[in-house]
Amino acid sequence: KQEVTQIPAALSVPEGENLVLNCSFTDSAIYNLQWFRQDPGKGLTSLLLIQSSQREQTSGRLNASLDKSSGRSTLYIAASQPGDSATYLCAATNTGGFKTIFGAGTRLFVKA
Amino acid sequence: ETGVTQSPTHLIKTRGQQVTLRCSSQSGHNTVSWYQQALGQGPQFIFQYYREEENGRGNFPPRFSGLQFPNYSSELNVNALELDDSALYLCASSPTGTGVEKLFFGSGTQLSVL
Repeated sequence: KQEVTQIPAALSVPEGENLVLNCSFTDSAIYNLQWFRQDPGKGLTSLLLIQSSQREQTSGRLNASLDKSSGRSTLYIAASQPGDSATYLCAATNTGGFKTIFGAGTRLFVKA
Repeated sequence: ETGVTQSPTHLIKTRGQQVTLRCSSQSGHNTVSWYQQALGQGPQFIFQYYREEENGRGNFPPRFSGLQFPNYSSELNVNALELDDSALYLCASSPTGTGVEKLFFGSGTQLSVL
């Protein structure tokens, strides 16, 4: 049974800081791993998707890495801005794409 | 904008009642999945439909059921509502559901059961 854990649960940083969010998963037989952003009371926006054969993906100030053998993924946010304040969730999709399991998220607050 | 719309945005029901939540996927997206998100937690997978057939289900009882229609709309039905069913319900669509594409989420329906 796949379990996804995110550390830390919450993070407060000053504007401009580079930061790393961590995600671990118990079953390495994943099809892909996605990182999402969620604003309060809203739906999820997909930020990055890493296929199981890939090791990282980049979009603007965001970089996500995947290490299947250790069951870990990290989301790196460069030069954080107050607009980055949100909850970041990682999610692992099992082989076949039938089920996506989410972590509980990291609540990020970037102080101006 | 993800192109996925959900209705209603908020709903209040009484324990024991039945509720139907609706989702309209992006045109061309043959897969829709539904999630339940309790406050402060990540979304929990309820089930997935591909071309009107359920092809995956999470750990939810049979009183949670769904339908998918040819016009890219879908429904989540919950019977015999319980207090613990209070949550944000999210639908997500993707073209094939095979895991090679991103999931596109709607903004959700906030259900309160009193």
